[in-house]
Amino acid sequence: DAGVIQSPRHEVTEMGQEVTLRCKPISGHDYLFWYRQTMMRGLELLIYFNNNVPIDDSGMPEDRFSAKMPNASFSTLKIQPSEPRDSAVYFCASSLLWGVSNQPQHFGDGTRLSIL
Amino acid sequence: AQSVAQPEDQVNVAEGNPLTVKCTYSVSGNPYLFWYVQYPNRGLQFLLKYITGDNLVKGSYGFEAEFNKSQTSFHLKKPSALVSDSALYFCAVRAGALDTDKLIFGTGTRLQVFP
Repeated sequence: DAGVIQSPRHEVTEMGQEVTLRCKPISGHDYLFWYRQTMMRGLELLIYFNNNVPIDDSGMPEDRFSAKMPNASFSTLKIQPSEPRDSAVYFCASSLLWGVSNQPQHFGDGTRLSIL
Repeated sequence: AQSVAQPEDQVNVAEGNPLTVKCTYSVSGNPYLFWYVQYPNRGLQFLLKYITGDNLVKGSYGFEAEFNKSQTSFHLKKPSALVSDSALYFCAVRAGALDTDKLIFGTGTRLQVFP
């Protein structure tokens, strides 16, 4: 079975550039989560969607961050403009019926983002 | 507010010995508890969860965890450690089953199993 697929796996770019991270959830899953992992702050939930609708974006650090889910099989996390402090590993995860069943979240292998 | 604590940054154990990775939690209602493992350059992988029922939960790769309500703990255990178990382990808690109830992760414990 195909898991959660994230691209790119690594991204290195200069400060001020726009960065777009992509995620394809597991087919049939109705919840999609974006997390950020850093040494200092650990694993943080940025935003999550249910049936393509954003439910909670309170974890998005600033207006420079935005996320979309145009359909059930694709989501993007965009940072514009990027800053060095955005350097982190960004994970996408998906789940089936998370809201009512506590089914586990399945994680992609992440995008390691470095902003120079 | 819900929270989870993993008091040990690192646990070292010899191969073949039993291992324990500790986790304590704080929630206002009934907790839903999870353990995940992360290998280098990989995403988190689900190991096991406690929702209700038997306090001893069995999961993947021979791991198990014991839910203790009075001590608000959910320690991860394995009777005999393998070198391949070396990884970063995360405990996570969810306070309820509503759409707005998020999964809160601990800071992680690095398990090192020595040959």
